[in-house]
Amino acid sequence: KAGVTQTPRYLIKTRGQQVTLSCSPISGHRSVSWYQQTPGQGLQFLFEYFSETQRNKGNFPGRFSGRQFSNSRSEMNVSTLELGDSALYLCASSFRLAGDTGELFFGEGSRLTVL
Amino acid sequence: DAKTTQPNSMESNEEEPVHLPCNHSTISGTDYIHWYRQLPSQGPEYVIHGLTSNVNNRMASLAIAEDRKSSTLILHRATLRDAAVYYCILKRSNAGGTSYGKLTFGQGTILTVHP
Repeated sequence: KAGVTQTPRYLIKTRGQQVTLSCSPISGHRSVSWYQQTPGQGLQFLFEYFSETQRNKGNFPGRFSGRQFSNSRSEMNVSTLELGDSALYLCASSFRLAGDTGELFFGEGSRLTVL
Repeated sequence: DAKTTQPNSMESNEEEPVHLPCNHSTISGTDYIHWYRQLPSQGPEYVIHGLTSNVNNRMASLAIAEDRKSSTLILHRATLRDAAVYYCILKRSNAGGTSYGKLTFGQGTILTVHP
């Protein structure tokens, strides 16, 4: 069974540019969540998508956005990049069934460096 | 989500048991106790979760105090591959869909395993 796939794995951008990251969940999983991991702040929740709708959002500025497609694949976009956006961006998928306690399956992440 | 407290770091020798503690004195009755771990250069990986009773799976055991204000993740025989950051997380079950894919990570415990 294939795991969560994130692309690209590594990328370098400059300040002011924008970036789009992609996440393919495990087959059958309908929920995709995004996290940012930095040495200073640790792992922080960005947002969750389910059935193409954003269900929950963390405390990040509007420059961070996402979407989910009908096949459950998700993308996140960061516009007007800042140096502080350098981080590992992790995607996690789950079945999201009612009453399920929600085990999340994480990808290996996309490491973004902003110069 | 309620807060958890874990030691910053712990050390163990290979093939010895490891007990990783977690305090969660403000846990509510509907909070499940989840453990994830993150190996170097990888995304977090689900380890185990429980509500009230002790739980066992192929990776570890989870011992939950009778008052549920603390828990302990037990690795029965540590291997070098168990060296990772271990996160203890409280997650409310069936949260009405508003926080399903959201995990609130703390700083975790860095486990070092010596050969």
